[in-house]
Amino acid sequence: EPEVTQTPSHQVTQMGQEVILRCVPISNHLYFYWYRQILGQKVEFLVSFYNNEISEKSEIFDDQFSVERPDGSNFTLKIRSTKLEDSAMYFCASSQGPDEKLFFGSGTQLSVL
Amino acid sequence: GESVGLHLPTLSVQEGDNSIINCAYSNSASDYFIWYKQESGKGPQFIIDIRSNMDKRQGQRVTVLLNKTVKHLSLQIAATQPGDSAVYFCAEAHTGFQKLVFGTGTRLLVSP
Repeated sequence: EPEVTQTPSHQVTQMGQEVILRCVPISNHLYFYWYRQILGQKVEFLVSFYNNEISEKSEIFDDQFSVERPDGSNFTLKIRSTKLEDSAMYFCASSQGPDEKLFFGSGTQLSVL
Repeated sequence: GESVGLHLPTLSVQEGDNSIINCAYSNSASDYFIWYKQESGKGPQFIIDIRSNMDKRQGQRVTVLLNKTVKHLSLQIAATQPGDSAVYFCAEAHTGFQKLVFGTGTRLLVSP
């Protein structure tokens, strides 16, 4: 079965550093998403992306965050200047359409020290 | 505002029992509901979904029930197995959705 893959599985960074989290969505999917889960809390929506632009974002997704589809297969989340509170598990997801079920990757555990 | 919540944080059952996991939602505009399973170290895995024009939907060993009157969603797992042990999340969305609103999760523990 096709799956969403994320790299790295763990990322440790110093506060103020930039990080890029990488995802390869399922190949025939057109909608891409980032969610995050702070330890012990709910999974939270960050951003959705379609046709090379952001289609919706949450209040969490401020100017420090950006997304990009640099080529035909990768989808990235960049945090420009990480803060301690950015420490979380970040999940990438993709779907064929806006009303289709989401398939999630295994996540990247980001630890900001 | 939107909120999705779960009544029970942990549910412990014996292998072979039927399990019922509950979820309450507050946004009456939501018309699409999904159950996800999350095992340790993995991302949420789709189990089953239901749209608001239905009250019940069955899958393999799983059934989702939707009661729009009281804004309640449940997941029934028949003949629960140790491999079903995981955290289960409900999520809600609107048609044409771009974001899912997740509940807090219920941990299901299945004893052999």
